[in-house]
Amino acid sequence: DVKVTQSSRYLVKRTGEKVFLECVQDMDHENMFWYRQDPGLGLRLIYFSYDVKMKEKGDIPEGYSVSREKKERFSLILESASTNQTSMYLCASSFRAGQYFGPGTRLTVT
Amino acid sequence: GESVGLHLPTLSVQEGDNSIINCAYSNSASDYFIWYKQESGKGPQFIIDIRSNMDKRQGQRVTVLLNKTVKHLSLQIAATQPGDSAVYFCAENGGGTSYGKLTFGQGTILTVHP
Repeated sequence: DVKVTQSSRYLVKRTGEKVFLECVQDMDHENMFWYRQDPGLGLRLIYFSYDVKMKEKGDIPEGYSVSREKKERFSLILESASTNQTSMYLCASSFRAGQYFGPGTRLTVT
Repeated sequence: GESVGLHLPTLSVQEGDNSIINCAYSNSASDYFIWYKQESGKGPQFIIDIRSNMDKRQGQRVTVLLNKTVKHLSLQIAATQPGDSAVYFCAENGGGTSYGKLTFGQGTILTVHP
């Protein structure tokens, strides 16, 4: 079975803090994705990566950056957290076709 | 832009009934579709997929039907159980888009009453 893990299930941070969300997959997938999910807005793509050290902006990259130093790990960075970044963050990985998701990180910025 | 959508935002059924969840897609170039199940507070779970060269695919208690003529996708759940209560949403690949990117529908809330 594909396994995608995320470093935290719940996270509370203060405005202005730098936040790191980690995602690890164990299936040697080429592609990895970061989404945020908000009520009424569905899944929105923040960034994705198709190879180590490669990244592409998604639909809502502002306020975020990513890092992919190893194939199995894809990190999402909030340089200076703001309250409007309170959300559920979902990581996914894929090899050509269907995406497999992690359990999500519920981030609250106060 | 093209998008994936759902006809019904909510669906309530009795335990044991069959459920049908619908999805309309507008990108005729899409050649790969997936159904996901998302329980409250959890990440989406891959249920079943189908390629455009098929019109039906069956899994355990689930069947996906694809009608390319009218650009419609449906998920049928047989003998629905309370544990099936979740949000279900479809996704499509937009036809050859690179890197496995998907477009997701908004979701249908399925509630199963005991």
